[in-house]
Amino acid sequence: KNQVEQSPQSLIILEGKNCTLQCNYTVSPFSNLRWYKQDTGRGPVSLTIMTFSENTKSNGRYTATLDADTKQSSLHITASQLSDSASYICVVSAIGGNNRLAFGKGNQVVVIP
Amino acid sequence: GAVVSQHPSWVICKSGTSVKIECRSLDFQATTMFWYRQFPKQSLMLMATSNEGSKATYEQGVEKDKFLINHASLTLSTLTVTSAHPEDSSFYICSASPVSGTGGANYEQYFGPGTRLTVT
Repeated sequence: KNQVEQSPQSLIILEGKNCTLQCNYTVSPFSNLRWYKQDTGRGPVSLTIMTFSENTKSNGRYTATLDADTKQSSLHITASQLSDSASYICVVSAIGGNNRLAFGKGNQVVVIP
Repeated sequence: GAVVSQHPSWVICKSGTSVKIECRSLDFQATTMFWYRQFPKQSLMLMATSNEGSKATYEQGVEKDKFLINHASLTLSTLTVTSAHPEDSSFYICSASPVSGTGGANYEQYFGPGTRLTVT
């Protein structure tokens, strides 16, 4: 079973609208959680990284939240733009994991005009 | 800062030939580099972890004699796919973790742009 589960698998949203992506994880002991944006045919680009003590972090129109007690995270995209069309990957690392990362399968977002 | 490059960005080769992919950290030194493979609509799958100057550690199920990894310096790692077959066609992505103080957060992994390999 994957240690990082993301939902929804894919969604289509209208330009200008908001959306929220979900990530549940079982990785333990928890070190940090990252959200990456991956455009088609490109490598992942970091959006946010949060440690145990952080419960929200923003990067422009992207806001990530973390509830380490329930092992859940969300990524909120505000006022979506066409360039937001991409896969958003939730990645979790464990303490002492030698920087080993557990990847979700990604949320595929398509923004339409 | 903390830029990772890969070369080539895409390559087409014939079955049975070998292909080398380079991964470079451009503005920081990386003690550890990671090689991933990603199939369409799938998450990244770790193939191996390489530390500068030592042998790579391969994930279970990854053939070390087929996927040769060399990490000869703190800024360069190479992945050679030997005797490539069509099933090796995939998107190969490297990442690098900075040596403390050389640029970027040392717990971060910075990803390259990926290399699309197609074996005909």
